[in-house]
Amino acid sequence: EAGVAQSPRYKIIEKRQSVAFWCNPISGHATLYWYQQILGQGPKLLIQFQNNGVVDDSQLPKDRFSAERLKGVDSTLKIQPAKLEDSAVYLCASSFGDGSYEQYFGPGTRLTVT
Amino acid sequence: ILNVEQSPQSLHVQEGDSTNFTCSFPSSNFYALHWYRWETAKSPEALFVMTLNGDEKKKGRISATLNTKEGYSYLYIKGSQPEDSATYLCASRSGNTGKLIFGQGTTLQVKP
Repeated sequence: EAGVAQSPRYKIIEKRQSVAFWCNPISGHATLYWYQQILGQGPKLLIQFQNNGVVDDSQLPKDRFSAERLKGVDSTLKIQPAKLEDSAVYLCASSFGDGSYEQYFGPGTRLTVT
Repeated sequence: ILNVEQSPQSLHVQEGDSTNFTCSFPSSNFYALHWYRWETAKSPEALFVMTLNGDEKKKGRISATLNTKEGYSYLYIKGSQPEDSATYLCASRSGNTGKLIFGQGTTLQVKP
């Protein structure tokens, strides 16, 4: 069974530029999560989708971050414009059904904002 | 707001040593406690999901215990090997929403 796929794996941009990350979850997984992991901290949930609907986006900085999951399968996370403090690893995870199921993580995208 | 704390932040041991880490979490509204292993440049890998007070889980040389009344979990590694070098994350889940609150992780380095 293929795991959660993410791309790109690494990205370096200058502040005020835009960037987008892509995630393809495990086939059949209805729930998709985006996490932000800043160096020295644990991953923090940014947004949770159930199929193509948003379940929780309470910690998503909506002035600069946006995410979509149009067909209930793959998802993109965008930052526009980026700030230095956005430097982090962005992890995507998916789970089979509702939140009671185990989450499976992708390898992450390491973003460096200079 | 949940605060999940892990200690120590980092650990260096010799091959063959046994070691353990601690995860502390608020005990109110507890639903489940997850342990993950995250090797550099790889995906975080699920180790254990624990739900019941007194739970003990084992996977090879790695085991974990759970105390939901006092809000802590221990992860033990017996006879550490270099391939155990990774960051170990714990995450607490309250309720059935799936939202995980992670600790900051314990980074283990095992020297041959």
